[in-house]
Formats: sequence, C-alpha cells, structure tokens
Amino acid sequence: IVMTQSPLSLPVTPGEPASISCRSSQSLLHGNGHYYLDWYLQKPGQSPQLLIYLASTRATGVPDRFSGGGSGTDFTLKISRMEAEDVGVYYCMQALQSPATFGQGTKLEIK
Amino acid sequence: QVQLQQWGAGLLKPSETLSLTCVVYGESFTDYYWSWIRQPPEKGLEWIGEINHRGSTNYNPSLKSRLTMSVDTSKNQFSLKLSSVTAADTAVYYCARGGASKYSYGYGRLNYWGQGTLVTVSS
Repeated sequence: IVMTQSPLSLPVTPGEPASISCRSSQSLLHGNGHYYLDWYLQKPGQSPQLLIYLASTRATGVPDRFSGGGSGTDFTLKISRMEAEDVGVYYCMQALQSPATFGQGTKLEIK
Repeated sequence: QVQLQQWGAGLLKPSETLSLTCVVYGESFTDYYWSWIRQPPEKGLEWIGEINHRGSTNYNPSLKSRLTMSVDTSKNQFSLKLSSVTAADTAVYYCARGGASKYSYGYGRLNYWGQGTLVTVSS
C-alpha cells in the first residue's frame, strides 16, 4: 500500500492551526470497522513517537491539540494551535497490511 | 516504565551481516509484536519487520531473502540479522513495540521506540 502525504513542508505561525493530509492507495478499513492508520512525530535528533493510532485515537500523553480523522483512503492530522515543541517531521503509516508502509513525511516548522 | 535499549555493530563492510539486539524493560514481552524500522540518512522511515514471543514473524518482502529475526524470551530480547549488506543498508535502525501478539500481524501502533543505532556500510 502506497502512502502519500501533503504538503511535504509546512511553516506555521505559533498559535495557528496546522493540517497534514495522508492518502493511501487502497482503503485502510479492516473488517472490524477500524481504520489502521497511525501518525508519528519525529522531533529533531529523536526517535519517532506515536501520536495517533486507529486513525483518530490519541496515544497516551499526547496533547489534545492533536487530532486525527478521515476514512477510506483519505486521512488528516490536525494541530489546533501550533506550539514550538511541535516542530519536526510527521509521518503517517498504514498498519492494515504487512508490510506496514510510511508516507514520505511532512516537515513542520515555525514560521 | 517501558524502555527499549538496543545495541550492535555500527560499521560494516559490504557483504557482511548486520546484527542488532533490543532488550525490553518494564513491559510484558509475551503480549506484543516487536518491530524493527530503519531510516537512511536524511530520508524517511522503512518498516523492516516484526516478531512475537512465539517466533512468528512478518517481514518486508523487499528484505525477506536477507532477513532473520529471533527472540530470547528468557532475556526479554529480540534480534535482527541482515545478511550481505551494501551501502544501501546504511541507516539508523530502530526497535519498537508493536501491537498485540495474539493476532497474525501487529497492526502498527508502535508505541515505544529504542534510541536508534546508526549502521554504516562502507569498504
């Protein structure tokens, strides 16, 4: 399954919202009704961290300014208010089928 | 607190075998899939594969012919071996905890990651 993210680079003013799109080459709907789409953030010099799984469930400890949504083949990660600590590269990953596959990454930076 | 610590050789020559190990602290080793992911310099992430405590594996087909994963449940460790490496295998390799082991596949949800190991392949 091919994952395509847009934009690849996104400058955002602190306090403003941000949105990243992720499209899959086939539906990520499992027979159990869940969409197997994860979002990860890799901060500079760090290992990636899980933000969202099952398309819309925040991982433990993730601030509620992060939200995930979408269905079928189109998914979105939204940040309600950009903070300095949110800079980094955001990746979507389809987890429906093996091998899991990642999007190219979206670099989020402060404007 | 869940921690994954990984180690292995950082410099290899072409045709050698890459070998990495990851130890898990603070987590039930039998409940999850344990994954490997890599990231070439200045590039994106690539899922390598996963293994559970029973030794059931899912491999990326692009690497399958050179890949071996194993577990040592007595030590809460899992390992990666990649044979016949080339410069294209130069990357930071990460271990991570995946989804529930009771299924045939981990279904992502890579919630905890190791610190990463830079492996460079050069003659």
